[in-house]
Amino acid sequence: GESVGLHLPTLSVQEGDNSIINCAYSNSASDYFIWYKQESGKGPQFIIDIRSNMDKRQGQRVTVLLNKTVKHLSLQIAATQPGDSAVYFCAENNLRATNKLIFGTGTLLAVQP
Amino acid sequence: KAGVTQTPRYLIKTRGQQVTLSCSPISGHRSVSWYQQTPGQGLQFLFEYFSETQRNKGNFPGRFSGRQFSNSRSEMNVSTLELGDSALYLCASTEGQDYGYTFGSGTRLTVV
Repeated sequence: GESVGLHLPTLSVQEGDNSIINCAYSNSASDYFIWYKQESGKGPQFIIDIRSNMDKRQGQRVTVLLNKTVKHLSLQIAATQPGDSAVYFCAENNLRATNKLIFGTGTLLAVQP
Repeated sequence: KAGVTQTPRYLIKTRGQQVTLSCSPISGHRSVSWYQQTPGQGLQFLFEYFSETQRNKGNFPGRFSGRQFSNSRSEMNVSTLELGDSALYLCASTEGQDYGYTFGSGTRLTVV
């Protein structure tokens, strides 16, 4: 039969607004987290990472927040631009056990001009 | 620095055939991982190589295999292709597992 595609949550924002993309991760032993941006026809592009000994990390226009208590990760993008339109994935890794990334299902960010 | 290079970009194969995909990591990166991306399952880990040794393997059948050469270049092979193997196959390299992973643009495999 037909395969059912993953239903990607969509976040639609106006250009210039701030965006917040959320992610619930699965493994309480995960100690390293990465946000990736994937544009159509391209591979995932590294945005920012955070280790479990931190709860916040800032980059250029982006901030990642980590709440280990509820296993939640968020990506904040300031002054969202049309070029930010893409699918955003969070990924987790347990550096002490394995060297593989476990990806979330992704969020489609649509920036309206 | 050149990025992660994957070849070919697109591939069409027939059921039952086998296919080999190639990945050249960033210079100096010794760890190479492979992922499968499909609309139904998302991004899933296939395997990871470091210094020519497979260190980790995901939950894929034995038809999926890989290897790494002394120059860190990696290949993955899928034998007896099935329609469900149609996917974007992504390769990622890293200089260390907590330094982030850089992905290539992928190989789009279509099995007909």
